[in-house]
Amino acid sequence: QSVLTQPPSASGTPGQRVTISCSGSSSNIGSNYVYWYQQLPGTAPKLLIYRNNQRPSGVPDRFSGSKSGTSASLAISGLRSEDEADYYCAAWDDSLKVFGGGTKLTVL
Amino acid sequence: QVQLVQSGSELKKPGASVKVSCKASGYTFTSYAMNWVRQAPGQGLEWMGWINTNTGNPTYAQGFTGRFVFSLDTSVSTAYLQISSLKAEDTAVYYCARDDDYWGQGTLVTVSS
Repeated sequence: QSVLTQPPSASGTPGQRVTISCSGSSSNIGSNYVYWYQQLPGTAPKLLIYRNNQRPSGVPDRFSGSKSGTSASLAISGLRSEDEADYYCAAWDDSLKVFGGGTKLTVL
Repeated sequence: QVQLVQSGSELKKPGASVKVSCKASGYTFTSYAMNWVRQAPGQGLEWMGWINTNTGNPTYAQGFTGRFVFSLDTSVSTAYLQISSLKAEDTAVYYCARDDDYWGQGTLVTVSS
């Protein structure tokens, strides 16, 4: 059972906008930054969003993050087939890092 | 460019030990913490803990105390994860990750008799 709660699956068609939610508590999301990672099949996770809504260099602006209170969300606009992957949210919680259980995004 | 290169896959018998390495390049090794993350087959990411690359002080998550040891060799910019008394349930891909950003490619450790 993960400390951060994500829906196990999400789906969308090419070009669509999808959002993935991440719910936590006051000790993690409520008081610390949220990070999002993308894990393509058979590869290592890659940082997608840091400090709630910042994109590392090279990450398309189709990806955006937001946070409100003890919840966060990742939005992907203009969905593409190569976005099909597992997405994880993460945050620090009293000096320990916690992850969400992951959301498998399927592009229909 | 920042790179974390991990050692290759390991096949071990129950009760044995394994040491996974993570060699960093492209940045000052002691300027960033190093995390370790486990991913069991078909499962999500599980944070194991981190090591302060300045002091060598490790912090272990619950469930990763006792048999798991983080260490460093700063002379070669390398972090290590050692797991002793291996069990079948330790079978997983183990990742090193710099702070919150860059990740190694992962090392598959398989424990089987």
